[in-house]
Amino acid sequence: ETGVTQTPRHLVMGMTNKKSLKCEQHLGHNAMYWYKQSAKKPLELMFVYSLEERVENNSVPSRFSPECPNSSHLFLHLHTLQPEDSALYLCASSQDSSPGQLNQPQHFGDGTRLSIL
Amino acid sequence: AQSVTQLGSHVSVSEGALVLLRCNYSSSVPPYLFWYVQYPNQGLQLLLKYTSAATLVKGINGFEAEFKKSETSFHLTKPSAHMSDAAEYFCAVRGFSGGYNKLIFGAGTRLAVHP
Repeated sequence: ETGVTQTPRHLVMGMTNKKSLKCEQHLGHNAMYWYKQSAKKPLELMFVYSLEERVENNSVPSRFSPECPNSSHLFLHLHTLQPEDSALYLCASSQDSSPGQLNQPQHFGDGTRLSIL
Repeated sequence: AQSVTQLGSHVSVSEGALVLLRCNYSSSVPPYLFWYVQYPNQGLQLLLKYTSAATLVKGINGFEAEFKKSETSFHLTKPSAHMSDAAEYFCAVRGFSGGYNKLIFGAGTRLAVHP
């Protein structure tokens, strides 16, 4: 496979469930990102991992827990979510861990559509 | 700090007409700018990027964008719209803070193409 792959594509869960979203990139990149995309709201950056270290957490509630075990894999662990957490969750990767690589784009997966009952 | 503003959350054109999607940026340093497209039920796909090599940038699917420093703009155009161009388009500027790069996205413009 090439590019950025996200699984599952669709997920329906109750508020008391625990689930995980998975992202895998096959591009040899050194940075990975989680975004939340809700209807009628701008794209929200949630977490950034650069060289496998978390470098940004944009005031995301603790019911979202990221994990980056290596440079190719990124997880988003979910527990006790709220209805307002229903959204499309996008993963992205890029080769840019220094100012000299500002011209490198981010490559996105197709997302996981999450619905909270 | 960097930011982008996309003028018009919805744009509607006829098939074969000119497509113009507007993006204005704010940046304290020379900007790196990107346009992405998102089709229904898909992620964001890179259309083109500006990296200071040329002010007119050609992208995929017949799209191009012109960087105008005096107007702080990076508008996206296509001479003739096709039905398959119906999608949401995002302008983004690259920022660097805290030791890592990040993209700052605009709110998006939804393009509708009617016969």
